[in-house]
Amino acid sequence: RKEVEQDPGPFNVPEGATVAFNCTYSNSASQSFFWYRQDCRKEPKLLMSVYSSGNEDGRFTAQLNRASQYISLLIRDSKLSDSATYLCVVNMIGSNFGNEKLTFGTGTRLTIIP
Amino acid sequence: DTAVSQTPKYLVTQMGNDKSIKCEQNLGHDTMYWYKQDSKKFLKIMFSYNNKELIINETVPNRFSPKSPDKAHLNLHINSLELGDSAVYFCASSPDRSGGYEQYFGPGTRLTVT
Repeated sequence: RKEVEQDPGPFNVPEGATVAFNCTYSNSASQSFFWYRQDCRKEPKLLMSVYSSGNEDGRFTAQLNRASQYISLLIRDSKLSDSATYLCVVNMIGSNFGNEKLTFGTGTRLTIIP
Repeated sequence: DTAVSQTPKYLVTQMGNDKSIKCEQNLGHDTMYWYKQDSKKFLKIMFSYNNKELIINETVPNRFSPKSPDKAHLNLHINSLELGDSAVYFCASSPDRSGGYEQYFGPGTRLTVT
């Protein structure tokens, strides 16, 4: 099982629609969860952290399900500017030194269609 | 002011050459990282330094040698470049090593080995 797994898409969604992505992770001891956004040929940037109680930021809602080890991202009233790759990110223990590292999923590509 | 900067932005070189990439952050963060994003867009951590101390080394070939002269700088030297080293290399920083904070990424260095 991959450490962090996402549906790569692409998701092609009409403007104004609602779209949801899920992501599963393998390490039940993980404590920190994030969604990052990466535009074409740009660096990843934090979209939002994911808290145990779930959290909302405008049109974006993130949820965490520890029992099933997945996190989700919901985008409502999608805009053209939401077109990007969305990366699911989970902290895990590195393979040596025993320190924490962020593990990135392969990303879900979203295109909003006018 | 750019928070995390990398040089060069593009690097085209031949197999067998040695090259370096430089990274600087002006955020006052303690921890810096090197990531590799391959042609399939998979972003994978290579190294992490905390206050000039190596804390993550994800079984990267020893042709790759990171160096942190101070906590604001993290450089990556690559010996005997191979075709498979072609990728985008991102530097990032975070306030500390815990993995619980946002990581800020540089714009990336697009390395092409011919």
